[in-house]
Amino acid sequence: EPEVTQTPSHQVTQMGQEVILRCVPISNHLYFYWYRQILGQKVEFLVSFYNNEISEKSEIFDDQFSVERPDGSNFTLKIRSTKLEDSAMYFCASSGTGEHQPQHFGDGTRLSIL
Amino acid sequence: QKEVEQNSGPLSVPEGAIASLNCTYSDRGSQSFFWYRQYSGKSPELIMSIYSNGDKEDGRFTAQLNKASQYVSLLIRDSQPSDSATYLCAVTSGGGADGLTFGKGTHLIIQP
Repeated sequence: EPEVTQTPSHQVTQMGQEVILRCVPISNHLYFYWYRQILGQKVEFLVSFYNNEISEKSEIFDDQFSVERPDGSNFTLKIRSTKLEDSAMYFCASSGTGEHQPQHFGDGTRLSIL
Repeated sequence: QKEVEQNSGPLSVPEGAIASLNCTYSDRGSQSFFWYRQYSGKSPELIMSIYSNGDKEDGRFTAQLNKASQYVSLLIRDSQPSDSATYLCAVTSGGGADGLTFGKGTHLIIQP
């Protein structure tokens, strides 16, 4: 069964550094999403992406964050000037076109900021 | 502010019994409703989706939706120890680009 793949599975970074999290969505999906889950808390929506542009973003997704689809398969989340509170699991998801399409999640990247 | 509320549990159910999980949501414009299962340290895994009022069955799982009451539920029949996990309720307005709003999840424990 097709799946969303994320790399790396675990990223450790010094505070203030930039990180790029990578995702390969399901091949025939056109909507892409990033979510984060701080340890012990709920899954939170960050941003959605369609047709090479941001469709919707939450209050969390400020100027520190950016997304990009650099080629036909990858979808990336860049976090600049990382802070301790950016430590979390980051999940990529994708969905097909049409109403009521479910979002399928990747295994996530655990980001640890030291 | 869109909110999704779930009882955090833990909800303890004997093996073979029916587990009942509930969720309420605040946004009356919500159109699509999903149940995800999340094992500790893992990603959300889609279990069920429902869009119309009433019941929807898939194997041992039944999702129920009541838009007038803004209420969604998930029933798990013949509960197995492998069903022990956190169950996340998620809602969206239904548009393709809309992000999911998640509840905090209900921790379900199936006792052998």
